[in-house]
Amino acid sequence: GENVEQHPSTLSVQEGDSAVIKCTYSDSASNYFPWYKQELGKRPQLIIDIRSNVGEKKDQRIAVTLNKTAKHFSLHITETQPEDSAVYFCAASTMGGDDKIIFGKGTRLHILP
Amino acid sequence: NAGVTQTPKFQVLKTGQSMTLQCAQDMNHEYMSWYRQDPGMGLRLIHYSVGAGITDQGEVPNGYNVSRSTTEDFPLRLLSAAPSQTSVYFCASRRGAKGADYGYTFGSGTRLTVV
Repeated sequence: GENVEQHPSTLSVQEGDSAVIKCTYSDSASNYFPWYKQELGKRPQLIIDIRSNVGEKKDQRIAVTLNKTAKHFSLHITETQPEDSAVYFCAASTMGGDDKIIFGKGTRLHILP
Repeated sequence: NAGVTQTPKFQVLKTGQSMTLQCAQDMNHEYMSWYRQDPGMGLRLIHYSVGAGITDQGEVPNGYNVSRSTTEDFPLRLLSAAPSQTSVYFCASRRGAKGADYGYTFGSGTRLTVV
């Protein structure tokens, strides 16, 4: 089955700097890669996703890149703000296949003042 | 439109007891899943369903049962609770494969403690 590895487990960046979180996946059939943000004590919420027919997708300060050949994808947050502090999860799925969404173990992002 | 509703929010069980975690969605979503969240382990898939009458196992299915008799409801049953099942449980739903939006909507979670 699919296995998703996520790094780093903890990341601290100065406010205003950029943050990058990286994930790798094992199943070459995976074609959908969402990212979720979970604030303390709250439910995970989808922030951005990408499908395998696209190499990059942007939404304001966040962007995701996908390298299908290397089976890795990354989340980029620019001009970080205090409200970006949270746990971020990457995930992978084979839409049209078994459709399970398998998550990485998460990255705790701290934005330092 | 309530989204995904989970009950109860908190529960304490004794080892060996059984119980059902309830999950209901009012968005007419085809797909529903149960995840457990433990510190440092991320979100692990327990069981999932792609439609009424169809369920399948996820990564950590042992000790849990599910059924999907209606599109709206997807209850998770703990057969004989064990301390290892102490966790936060999230139910999630999304549109099916024909939908343009694949993103999950999560419930608010159930914090379960087994003593």
